[in-house]
Amino acid sequence: DQQVKQNSPSLSVQEGRISILNCDYTNSMFDYFLWYKKYPAEGPTFLISISSIKDKNEDGRFTVFLNKSAKHLSLHIVPSQPGDSAVYFCAASEGGYSTLTFGKGTMLLVSP
Amino acid sequence: EAEVAQSPRYKITEKSQAVAFWCDPISGHATLYWYRQILGQGPELLVQFQDESVVDDSQLPKDRFSAERLKGVDSTLKIQPAELGDSAMYLCASSLQGQVGTGELFFGEGSRLTVL
Repeated sequence: DQQVKQNSPSLSVQEGRISILNCDYTNSMFDYFLWYKKYPAEGPTFLISISSIKDKNEDGRFTVFLNKSAKHLSLHIVPSQPGDSAVYFCAASEGGYSTLTFGKGTMLLVSP
Repeated sequence: EAEVAQSPRYKITEKSQAVAFWCDPISGHATLYWYRQILGQGPELLVQFQDESVVDDSQLPKDRFSAERLKGVDSTLKIQPAELGDSAMYLCASSLQGQVGTGELFFGEGSRLTVL
C-alpha cells in the first residue's frame, strides 16, 4: 500500500512556464514533506521541504504548497529551465528523525 | 564539497553469485542508510545505522542480504546469492544525526546492479 503517491509519471513544460508537480499521501501521521531531484546516474539531491505547521515554503524559483485537509502537496517551479529536467521524488516522514517514505517520482522535461 | 562515496558504480553479475557494495559517508555523519531503488519506483529503505548499530533493518531480506558498519564509519552491503529481482540501484545516504525531515539526508551516486 503506497503511502506517498505521485500519479503523474511524467510532465512536459516549455522553458519559462510554470511546472507543477503533485503528490498525495495517505498517512495522516506524516508531518515533514520533502522534494528530491534526481538526474540520471546520480543520487537524489534535496530540493525543498515543508513541515505540517506551514502551508507554503519558498526557495528561489521553487515553492512547495501543503494542503493537509486534502493530504496533498505540490511543487511549483517558476520559471522552468531546461536544467530542471530530472525526476522529482516526493517524500514524507513521521517526525523529523523518522524514515523517509518516497513516491515513485515524476519525470519533468523542460524544453527550450 | 563533502560527498557520500560509493563503489562500484556499476556491477553486472550472474544469479546465485555474491555481490558487495561499499559506502563511505560524509565525515562525521553518524547515521547511514542503504536504500534500494528499482527502476520506476522511489527509493526504499533497506537498513539504517546509527554509528555501528542497526536501527532499522525491517525491510532487509535477511535470508540473502547483510549489512555491516563495523567501526561506525564506512559500510558494506552484501547480497548472496543474487537473484534476478535484485537488479536495482543501491543508494547509500548519510545524515549528521538523522534529522531527515528537514532535508539533512545526503545520497551517494549509487551502485547500479544488473543480475543476469
